[in-house]
Amino acid sequence: SQQGEEDPQALSIQEGENATMNCSYKTSINNLQWYRQNSGRGLVHLILIRSNEREKHSGRLRVTLDTSKKSSSLLITASRAADTASYFCATDGETSGSRLTFGEGTQLTVNP
Amino acid sequence: ETGVTQTPRHLVMGMTNKKSLKCEQHLGHNAMYWYKQSAKKPLELMFVYNFKEQTENNSVPSRFSPECPNSSHLFLHLHTLQPEDSALYLCASSQDSFNQPQHFGDGTRLSIL
Repeated sequence: SQQGEEDPQALSIQEGENATMNCSYKTSINNLQWYRQNSGRGLVHLILIRSNEREKHSGRLRVTLDTSKKSSSLLITASRAADTASYFCATDGETSGSRLTFGEGTQLTVNP
Repeated sequence: ETGVTQTPRHLVMGMTNKKSLKCEQHLGHNAMYWYKQSAKKPLELMFVYNFKEQTENNSVPSRFSPECPNSSHLFLHLHTLQPEDSALYLCASSQDSFNQPQHFGDGTRLSIL
């Protein structure tokens, strides 16, 4: 079964607004990571949250993890046009060893 | 600059050609990865190397052949590819192969004629 499914698939907001993206997964995990990918570029790691953590912050980013619901959310506050990108969650399941399983991503567009 | 460099950035090849993709990381990491990214599909892990040893081959067709001569360099040798192999091929590295953030290169956009 596929891990890390993001919701929504696409999100369009105005600059200054907050953006929330969600990720659901199916099996138990060790960690969950969020990545950003700008068009034509590789993925950039944003935040790693461990299964025993509930919330983590990094600048304008806030990640929550609810292991009982097998879900995570990424909040970007005070969005900027430069935040326009695809955002992916990735999980490493307890039984998947070294493998990170990525979702299909959320395409975020921040309009100036 | 992510510390992971991939060359070439773009590659067009015929189905009978042989070519190689190169990845180099300057981060002192011990684990390196090849991923395939196709439109509207999740990122697919192809190969994992940890301390130069291949630790995972995710059922990749033999027309893709990885090589890891040292922990800083990773190659993906390509031969007799199919049109469905057209995709963005991403290389990544991490400190070790478990539970670590991965650092990605900007990929090679491969088109098979």
